[in-house]
Amino acid sequence: NAGVTQTPKFHILKIGQSMTLQCTQDMNHNYMYWYRQDPGMGLKLIYYSVGAGITDKGEVPNGYNVSRSTTEDFPLRLELAAPSQTSVYFCASSYSSPYSNQPQHFGDGTRLSIL
Amino acid sequence: GEDVEQSLFLSVREGDSSVINCTYTDSSSTYLYWYKQEPGAGLQLLTYIFSNMDMKQDQRLTVLLNKKDKHLSLRIADTQTGDSAIYFCAESMSGAGSYQLTFGKGTKLSVIP
Repeated sequence: NAGVTQTPKFHILKIGQSMTLQCTQDMNHNYMYWYRQDPGMGLKLIYYSVGAGITDKGEVPNGYNVSRSTTEDFPLRLELAAPSQTSVYFCASSYSSPYSNQPQHFGDGTRLSIL
Repeated sequence: GEDVEQSLFLSVREGDSSVINCTYTDSSSTYLYWYKQEPGAGLQLLTYIFSNMDMKQDQRLTVLLNKKDKHLSLRIADTQTGDSAIYFCAESMSGAGSYQLTFGKGTKLSVIP
């Protein structure tokens, strides 16, 4: 049981380039989330999804896009990378909504540097 | 909007108790969580408490909730070097905000052998 798997673990991107961060989960969870974690800060929600075909913006969605074509996969796309997007990105999934006693399961993160 | 505040650092000796504090601002019914993040890893749920409870104990972990002061604490008994990590307090609201968790900035716990 792999849980939540993120790829790549590390990446360096040039300003203006695009890339997709991959996230997949094998727990059949409906809810999936993308967070960014900046140094010394808590996690900020970028986008979330409550099921295949349904996505919505979180607190800091600008500069990102997501899709949810399957229950398992929730990729995050950066279209025109900017230095302000240098961060650690975490994908998470949960069985039910955050307003519950069900935990969010986190991947190990993608460390992204934009130069 | 809601905000979750934590002190940034805590240092304790191995075998002592650790107490990590958190304050939150939302007064509606809510779930409050403690997550642990080890270096290079994602967050792992340690425990949670619902806002109608005052205390919850789970082995070495004790969560205390003071609703009047909107203060939450996590006590780790007999702290071990393996407890060294960053601990995040998080809050989930009912209603329109129920799809989001609000995280504090995290408290870095250092355990001195």
